Amino acid sequence: EAGVTQSPTHLIKTRGQQATLRCSPISGHTSVYWYQQALGLGLQFLLWYDEGEERNRGNFPPRFSGRQFPNYSSELNVNALELEDSALYLCASSSGLQETQYFGPGTRLLVL
Amino acid sequence: SQQGEEDPQALSIQEGENATMNCSYKTSINNLQWYRQNSGRGLVHLILIRSNEREKHSGRLRVTLDTSKKSSSLLITASRAADTASYFCATVSGGSNYKLTFGKGTLLTVNP
Repeated sequence: EAGVTQSPTHLIKTRGQQATLRCSPISGHTSVYWYQQALGLGLQFLLWYDEGEERNRGNFPPRFSGRQFPNYSSELNVNALELEDSALYLCASSSGLQETQYFGPGTRLLVL
Repeated sequence: SQQGEEDPQALSIQEGENATMNCSYKTSINNLQWYRQNSGRGLVHLILIRSNEREKHSGRLRVTLDTSKKSSSLLITASRAADTASYFCATVSGGSNYKLTFGKGTLLTVNP
């Protein structure tokens, strides 16, 4: 069974640009979660999607947004990039509430 | 904000020794999960323990949960050099604010 996949593996952008990160969950999983792991800040919860709807978001500005498609894959968009957005962005999926979250390998975003 | 706090922040042991990592949290939880991360890559799920469980085993891993003390411990027995990684505990609280909240992790180094 394929695990959670993310693309691209690395992304280099300049300040002010937009970044789009993609995630495909494990087959059968309907929930997708996004996390940011920035140096010195640990893993921070960003967004949770389930059945195509945003269910919860972390303490991040509105320029962090996303969506979940009918096939349960998800996209994270970061607008007006700032230097401090440089981080590893991790996507996870689960089969339901309270269940184990399985993580993808991450997308490393570098903002210059 | 971080819910879980791992202790110690760093641990260095010799191969064959046991490694114990602790996690404390602040609010009531539905379950607690332990993850491993190698060199800033994706997270690997190790074990999930629910709030009504006290102990769980998986191979060389043993996890305990004390909800009265709001703490958990992860024991890795007969450690190997390949166990070298960062270990995170993550707590899950329920309701509409459902999300996984991570601690800052324990960096375990197993010397051959």
